[in-house]
Amino acid sequence: GIQVEQSPPDLILQEGANSTLRCNFSDSVNNLQWFHQNPWGQLINLFYIPSGTKQNGRLSATTVATERYSLLYISSSQTTDSGVYFCAVNRAGGTSYGKLTFGQGTILTVHP
Amino acid sequence: EAGVAQSPRYKIIEKRQSVAFWCNPISGHATLYWYQQILGQGPKLLIQFQNNGVVDDSQLPKDRFSAERLKGVDSTLKIQPAKLEDSAVYLCASSRVTGKNTEAFFGQGTRLTVV
Repeated sequence: GIQVEQSPPDLILQEGANSTLRCNFSDSVNNLQWFHQNPWGQLINLFYIPSGTKQNGRLSATTVATERYSLLYISSSQTTDSGVYFCAVNRAGGTSYGKLTFGQGTILTVHP
Repeated sequence: EAGVAQSPRYKIIEKRQSVAFWCNPISGHATLYWYQQILGQGPKLLIQFQNNGVVDDSQLPKDRFSAERLKGVDSTLKIQPAKLEDSAVYLCASSRVTGKNTEAFFGQGTRLTVV
């Protein structure tokens, strides 16, 4: 199956700092999503971004599908940004259209 | 619009007991997924439904897990008998199938502890 690798595994920041999270995947994809899992376990949709660049407030994401990676940028981080960030992909041409394969996540801790 | 609803939020059972989880997807979403998330890992797909038919259940331990989606809306996931290693968060998700957009939305999950 498709492999999804996220880096770094852990990231500690001071409030106000910027950060970049990376997601590499091993095959062509139909779908790529970024999620934030809050301390209560809820997966919050950040971006649906199989290709291109999107921005939403302090967050932006870029997927370069031909090179099989995606980046999530967090600017001016806040303590509420803390949690686990997951990248998930749906492999193109697979039998399960829509099935998401998740990376292991990046644990982000933002200190005040 | 209302999100994906799941219940219960928490469940503690003894090994060898049975348990059932319920999910109500976002209205109009034809595809429903059950994922299992073990502590420290990313979620893994257990089963995927398209309307009331199974698309993928290759990772479902069928000797103890079962799932159904009657009438193509609500779904239940059952474990019988439970093992200690089934302790995890069970996440339900749904997506609308229009063209190639399969953006999935997740419920709050059910945290299962087997003791």
